[in-house]
Amino acid sequence: ETGVTQSPTHLIKTRGQQVTLRCSSQSGHNTVSWYQQALGQGPQFIFQYYREEENGRGNFPPRFSGLQFPNYSSELNVNALELDDSALYLCASSDSPLSREEKLFFGSGTQLSVL
Amino acid sequence: AQRVTQPEKLLSVFKGAPVELKCNYSYSGSPELFWYVQYSRQRLQLLLRHISRESIKGFTADLNKGETSFHLKKPFAQEEDSAMYYCALRPQAGTALIFGKGTTLSVSS
Repeated sequence: ETGVTQSPTHLIKTRGQQVTLRCSSQSGHNTVSWYQQALGQGPQFIFQYYREEENGRGNFPPRFSGLQFPNYSSELNVNALELDDSALYLCASSDSPLSREEKLFFGSGTQLSVL
Repeated sequence: AQRVTQPEKLLSVFKGAPVELKCNYSYSGSPELFWYVQYSRQRLQLLLRHISRESIKGFTADLNKGETSFHLKKPFAQEEDSAMYYCALRPQAGTALIFGKGTTLSVSS
């Protein structure tokens, strides 16, 4: 069983730039969720993709966008980076999108620093 | 607004002492509640779910709807329990998980 993998592990960007983060879901999972975790905070839901369609979105502006591919891997794109976007970005996969019992399997995260 | 509150940033106990990590939530319906854990240098992982009514690694958590709490308990702490613990709420099916800010548990000998 292959776990959730994320790349890159660390990234440094400057304000105004664009960034793409990547995630491969766990084998057998068709759903990917993205979370932002600022320092000292819990993970905050950005959005979820299920079978290549957005399946729910948190309180994030449109400059946060995503994609899911036929193999269920996913990308998170952030345009016009702001200093406050500096955070750990977590990807999580599951096989039961947004169900009450949904069990999330997390990747190790991408640490994004915006200077 | 739906919210999860973990009032303690850090909880330090001695090995063998009882542990209670507090979690309070704000939601008027019947939510599903979870505890996630992150051990040092490991990824965030599910510890237990209210719906499963299970005990994992000696930890249990009881949903108290009257007090809107879902405290995590273990009668005898072990050093390997040292980790960051997050309480999370799913208000209803079709909604995303809402996490608390987390509590660091430190167990020393």
